[in-house]
Formats: sequence, C-alpha cells, structure tokens
Amino acid sequence: GAGVSQSPSNKVTEKGKDVELRCDPISGHTALYWYRQSLGQGLEFLIYFQGNSAPDKSGLPSDRFSAERTGGSVSTLTIQRTQQEDSAVYLCASSPRPSGATDTQYFGPGTRLTVL
Amino acid sequence: AQSVTQLGSHVSVSEGALVLLRCNYSSSVPPYLFWYVQYPNQGLQLLLKYTSAATLVKGINGFEAEFKKSETSFHLTKPSAHMSDAAEYFCAVSDGGGYQKVTFGTGTKLQVIP
Repeated sequence: GAGVSQSPSNKVTEKGKDVELRCDPISGHTALYWYRQSLGQGLEFLIYFQGNSAPDKSGLPSDRFSAERTGGSVSTLTIQRTQQEDSAVYLCASSPRPSGATDTQYFGPGTRLTVL
Repeated sequence: AQSVTQLGSHVSVSEGALVLLRCNYSSSVPPYLFWYVQYPNQGLQLLLKYTSAATLVKGINGFEAEFKKSETSFHLTKPSAHMSDAAEYFCAVSDGGGYQKVTFGTGTKLQVIP
C-alpha cells in the first residue's frame, strides 16, 4: 500500500514569507507526528496528533509554527514569517495505533525547506 | 526526561568488517528503544526495536542490538559490513508515557569502504 507522502519535496522561500507543508499519512493510521531535521542535528519533535485528542504542541519552537490535522487524516504544518534558521528537512510520520510506545513510526520522505 | 546519546557522528568501516554503532539512553522509566536507518535520499525506516522482551533484538539486513540496563546502552551491531549498509542511523527512546513521544539521537553516518 501507499506510504506516508509529503509535499512539496523541496521548498525555497524568502525570509518573511509564510509556507505550508503537507503530510498524507498512511490510511487508517491514527497517530501523526512532525519532526524537524537540521544539518548535524537529530530529529527534533515538533507536534503530535492522536485521533480527536488535543495535539501535543510541546515541540513547536515558536508561535510562528502551527499545524492542523483535518478529518483525522491530512496534516498541514505552517510556518509564518519564515527565518533562515527555519531551513531544515521537515519529516512527517504516522503510526497505526492510538497507544503503545512500541508502535513503529512510518516516515515520509520529507520536505526540504530553504529560507533565503 | 528521556534522552539519547550517539557516540560518533561519523563511523567508517571496511567492507566485511564489524559494524558497531553506539547508543546510550537516559530514561526515568523502563525504556522502549529503537534504531532507524535513513538511506540517501530516502525516509527513515525502522531497523529494530526493544520492547522489554528479549534483550538481544534482531532486525532487518543482519543488524542486531543488545539492551544492557546496567550500561544504559543499546548498541547496534552487524558482523560483516556491506556496501549497501552505508546510511545514517538514528537511535531513539520512548518512555511509553501514555503515547509514543519518541526522542531521537543526532545520528551516526556509516561509511563502508570497499
């Protein structure tokens, strides 16, 4: 079946512009995560969605970052007034079950964001 | 709070040699531990995971990792490196916490020399 997809694969924007990154999780997966991967850094947790529960936004680095998940499926990560330090690869992952820390996360290919 | 430390951001081995990638964790509760691999221009995929069952965990492509509580370690090994093993490897830890908040390490890039 289809894996996690993300679009666009690459995004170049100018400082100060807003960007939207999209994630389509695997059908039926209830959990969805956003991570940021910067050069030389690990994966930085950004936000977690689980079903209809309130999302865990504890990893969002500033109020310029926001995310939503519509209908329990597609998710959009929005970065407002982008800064050069926002340049990174943004990864989305989904997993099948609502609980259990042993569930495998399935990652998308990522969106490489470059802020000029 | 949970954390993961991966020793060595870059590791080089000769083809056929032993692969050893180090990971140490910190967790206030019994952890769940993962190794993910990211091949060039691809997304991350799970190699193996420790879920409090057997301490020696076998994964895909001949990799295995051993959970050592006394050393708070979960090192990844493979007896004989293959060229196709060249990738970036990430160790990760989760404390369960009611859901799957996973903390990743900074990654280790493995180079395999022919």
